Parts: sequence; structure tokens; C-alpha cells
Amino acid sequence: DAGVTQSPTHLIKTRGQQVTLRCSPKSGHDTVSWYQQALGQGPQFIFQYYEEEERQRGNFPDRFSGHQFPNYSSELNVNALLLGDSALYLCASSLWRDLRVSGANVLTFGAGSRLTVL
Amino acid sequence: AQSVTQLDSQVPVFEEAPVELRCNYSSSVSVYLFWYVQYPNQGLQLLLKYLSGSTLVKGINGFEAEFNKSQTSFHLRKPSVHISDTAEYFCAVIRYGGSQGNLIFGKGTKLSVKP
Repeated sequence: DAGVTQSPTHLIKTRGQQVTLRCSPKSGHDTVSWYQQALGQGPQFIFQYYEEEERQRGNFPDRFSGHQFPNYSSELNVNALLLGDSALYLCASSLWRDLRVSGANVLTFGAGSRLTVL
Repeated sequence: AQSVTQLDSQVPVFEEAPVELRCNYSSSVSVYLFWYVQYPNQGLQLLLKYLSGSTLVKGINGFEAEFNKSQTSFHLRKPSVHISDTAEYFCAVIRYGGSQGNLIFGKGTKLSVKP
């Protein structure tokens, strides 16, 4: 049973460029959340997708956008890259109904995509 | 708003010694609590969670944590650590009944187990 897979694992971009990161959720999961983990910090919530819609968003600028596809996979796009966007980007998947049942859904994380902006 | 404070950024300990990683949270409402572990160059793995019921929660790899509502703490403990426990540990909260998937993390504690 495959877990959460993310690609690419590492990438280097320059300031002003655009980047797209990809995520395939764990088999059976229908909800995808994205987190940014800067060096020496805990992960910070970017946004969450369910049924191809953004359901919740953290405190990130509009340069950060996303998409969810009918097969539940997801993309994170960042435009006009800044040096401060250098981080590990984590994708996490879960089941939307778990939230309805228990009041909290347990996230399964991928290994992340490490973005370096020069 | 909720926040999480992990009181120690680094904890060095010798193999087979006990360890406690401290976590305090701030919230005006009830929360669910989690501990995740991150091994080098890997993503986050769930160690244990507290949703309701017994305040002593047992997780994987011999770890356990105790929810203390009066002290707003959720400290992680292991009676005897191994070299393989060397990793970064994150405490996280979700507000009860909301913030679907919006975990709020602490800054992490790096556990270093020495032979």
C-alpha cells in the first residue's frame, strides 16, 4: 500500500521563477494538505483540498496556489519565487469523513520536496 | 488562536536513558494533540495522538505521552532510548471540531541519542 508520494524530491530555482510540486495521496485518502517547513522551524499550513476545492488556507500570499485533480492528487504552485520560499514542502493526505466522525483527521505525510531558491 | 511551545530545541541523552520531550499548548478551546517524528531527510511520521479518553496515550516505538489539561501540557516520554530514536520530534494541535487538517506545530525538539 503506497503512502504519500511527492515529486520532485529536490529542486533548485532562481528568484522570480515559478515552481510546481506534485503529490499523490495515500491509497484511499481523498483530502490533501500542504505544509511549508523552513529550516529549523515546524511545518506551517498552506492550504487544504477536498473535492477539487480549496477548503482552508493558512497565512500565505496569493503567490501560493494549488489544485486537486479527480484522482485526488494535488499540485502546489509558487509564483515569483523569493529567497524566503526556500523550504521543505510537505504534502499530507487524510480522509475527509474521519473529521466528521472523530472531529480530527489524522494526516499521513510524504517525504517532502526540498526547494532551494537562489 | 492556538499555539504550541516546545520548551527544548535540543535534547542530548545517552542510550538506554529515559527521556522527556516537553510540549505546552495555548488554546481557549479544547484541542486534539499529536506527536510526530521526523527522521533525517524524511517526512513526518505519527507517533501518537490524543483525541479523548485516557490521558495517558501509548504510541509506536515505545513512546507515550500524558495529556494534562490543567497544565496545558502533552509531554512525550520514553523509558529507555535507542540510537535509532535520534530524530526531530514535533508536537502539534488541532482545535476541536474545526480546522480540518490544519495542524499547528511547535518548532520541534532534536533528540540526539549518544552511545
